[in-house]
Amino acid sequence: KQEVTQIPAALSVPEGENLVLNCSFTDSAIYNLQWFRQDPGKGLTSLLLIQSSQREQTSGRLNASLDKSSGRSTLYIAASQPGDSATYLCAVKTSGSRLTFGEGTQLTVNP
Amino acid sequence: EAGVAQSPRYKIIEKRQSVAFWCNPISGHATLYWYQQILGQGPKLLIQFQNNGVVDDSQLPKDRFSAERLKGVDSTLKIQPAKLEDSAVYLCASSSIFLKDGTTGELFFGEGSRLTVL
Repeated sequence: KQEVTQIPAALSVPEGENLVLNCSFTDSAIYNLQWFRQDPGKGLTSLLLIQSSQREQTSGRLNASLDKSSGRSTLYIAASQPGDSATYLCAVKTSGSRLTFGEGTQLTVNP
Repeated sequence: EAGVAQSPRYKIIEKRQSVAFWCNPISGHATLYWYQQILGQGPKLLIQFQNNGVVDDSQLPKDRFSAERLKGVDSTLKIQPAKLEDSAVYLCASSSIFLKDGTTGELFFGEGSRLTVL
């Protein structure tokens, strides 16, 4: 059974700081890994999708990496802004198309 | 392009009552998911449809939850009778298929339906 863990559970940083969110998974036989953002009371917004054959994906100030062999992914946010405050979730897709989510990292960027 | 539509956004019911949630996925997306998200936790898959067929309902409490996607487009999730522990946000998501290997692509989520059971 796939298990996904996100560390830290919560993170508070000053504006402008670069930061890294971590995601680990127990079963390395994945099809892809997806990072989402969730604002309070809202649904999930897809940020980056990394296929199993890829090592990283970039979108603006966001960079996600994937190391299947070690069961790890990181989401790097450059020059953080207060608008980046949200909960960040990672999810891995394994056989049968099931997507397993971590519990999320709650990020607060202070002005 | 319109996103995933869900209704109602909020619902408050008494325990043992019934409730239904509706989802309209992104046009052309064959795969539709219902997730349950309890406060402070990540979403948990309830059921996955491929067109109008069920792919995975192993985590659906079938004694009280049911879902259907009759024409392979929109879907309804029903809870009857509701329990206190069903209080959660019910998220609908859809994705397209990579026909080459059968895997699905990026998931797109609706805003969710927040259920409170009193």
